[in-house]
Amino acid sequence: AQKITQTQPGMFVQEKEAVTLDCTYDTSDQSYGLFWYKQPSSGEMIFLIYQGSYDEQNATEGRYSLNFQKARKSANLVISASQLGDSAMYFCAMREGASGTYKYIFGTGTRLKVLA
Amino acid sequence: ETGVTQTPRHLVMGMTNKKSLKCEQHLGHNAMYWYKQSAKKPLELMFVYSLEERVENNSVPSRFSPECPNSSHLFLHLHTLQPEDSALYLCASSQESQGPTEAFFGQGTRLTVV
Repeated sequence: AQKITQTQPGMFVQEKEAVTLDCTYDTSDQSYGLFWYKQPSSGEMIFLIYQGSYDEQNATEGRYSLNFQKARKSANLVISASQLGDSAMYFCAMREGASGTYKYIFGTGTRLKVLA
Repeated sequence: ETGVTQTPRHLVMGMTNKKSLKCEQHLGHNAMYWYKQSAKKPLELMFVYSLEERVENNSVPSRFSPECPNSSHLFLHLHTLQPEDSALYLCASSQESQGPTEAFFGQGTRLTVV
């Protein structure tokens, strides 16, 4: 079964507007971490934001915020004031396991296109 | 150099060739990973090394052989590959601890098997 689900293969957003990229996850671990990465056409995976399973507040990093709803097992990424440079693939990931056996599991990604 | 460096960036090889992908991290991390990224598929975790010991091998065919000689270097040795092995191969490293320890990725090796 898919552990990380991203249901939006592609999204469009107008420049300067906000956009939400969806992510749901599945785990039986009590302690886990959730991450979002950006992958431009160059191929490199760029870390954006982290949310720990025990964090009570939603994570924020500049224009990025993570809407964490633990009971629903969702960790949506919100990008505010979109810029043309935000056009890329976005991946949601989960770190599960214990120290010494950590694994990072990724979803299929969402391709975001910012329109001028 | 900083971060995670992968070489070569692009590789074209025949099915009978033997080649190696190299990954080097300058972050002092103690875990390293190989991922395969094919079109329209999630990133597939291939191998995990923690403290230079292999802790994960996700049913990867034996034509892929990893090597981790020290905590800063990771290799993926390739031999008798198939065309379906063409993909972007990403190396990552992380620090094994609780908390916001994200995986840092290299820019990948774009492999084409002909």
